[in-house]
Amino acid sequence: RKEVEQDPGPFNVPEGATVAFNCTYSNSASQSFFWYRQDCRKEPKLLMSVYSSGNEDGRFTAQLNRASQYISLLIRDSKLSDSATYLCVVNERGRDDKIIFGKGTRLHILP
Amino acid sequence: ETGVTQSPTHLIKTRGQQVTLRCSSQSGHNTVSWYQQALGQGPQFIFQYYREEENGRGNFPPRFSGLQFPNYSSELNVNALELDDSALYLCASSGRGEQYFGPGTRLTVT
Repeated sequence: RKEVEQDPGPFNVPEGATVAFNCTYSNSASQSFFWYRQDCRKEPKLLMSVYSSGNEDGRFTAQLNRASQYISLLIRDSKLSDSATYLCVVNERGRDDKIIFGKGTRLHILP
Repeated sequence: ETGVTQSPTHLIKTRGQQVTLRCSSQSGHNTVSWYQQALGQGPQFIFQYYREEENGRGNFPPRFSGLQFPNYSSELNVNALELDDSALYLCASSGRGEQYFGPGTRLTVT
């Protein structure tokens, strides 16, 4: 099983719709979780951290399910500008820090 | 815009050569991480430096090495370049609970 797995997509979604992505991770000792957004040929940018209690930032909601070892990202009222690749990131903190990115999920918002 | 800069922007090398990539961290950040991102893939963690010491390493061979300097800037060195080393190399500066990526160096090995 890969350390961090995401559905690569692409997800083709009409503008205004709601879309959700999941990401699973294999190491139950993982401690920190994030969603990053990456536009074509650009560097990744932090979208939001993911907390155990779930968290919301405007149209974006992130949730963590430790029992099932997955995190999710929900985007409501999607905009054309939401088109990007969404990367799931897991930080395994032990003796050393190990930061693992998923391969990303591509989202295309259709006008 | 973040304060994380990388140089050079693009680089072309031939197989067997050595390369050094540079990263200047955001002011106030003491940790730098390096990633390799091949086309169509997510970034792969190479290693992390915290206060000039290596603080974690991914599954990369020893020919990938690094340094962090007292001002927290960092270098990534790759020896004996292989064709598969062609990728975007990203550095990320972190501290105070935040992490920012630099724009990356695109390395092509021919």
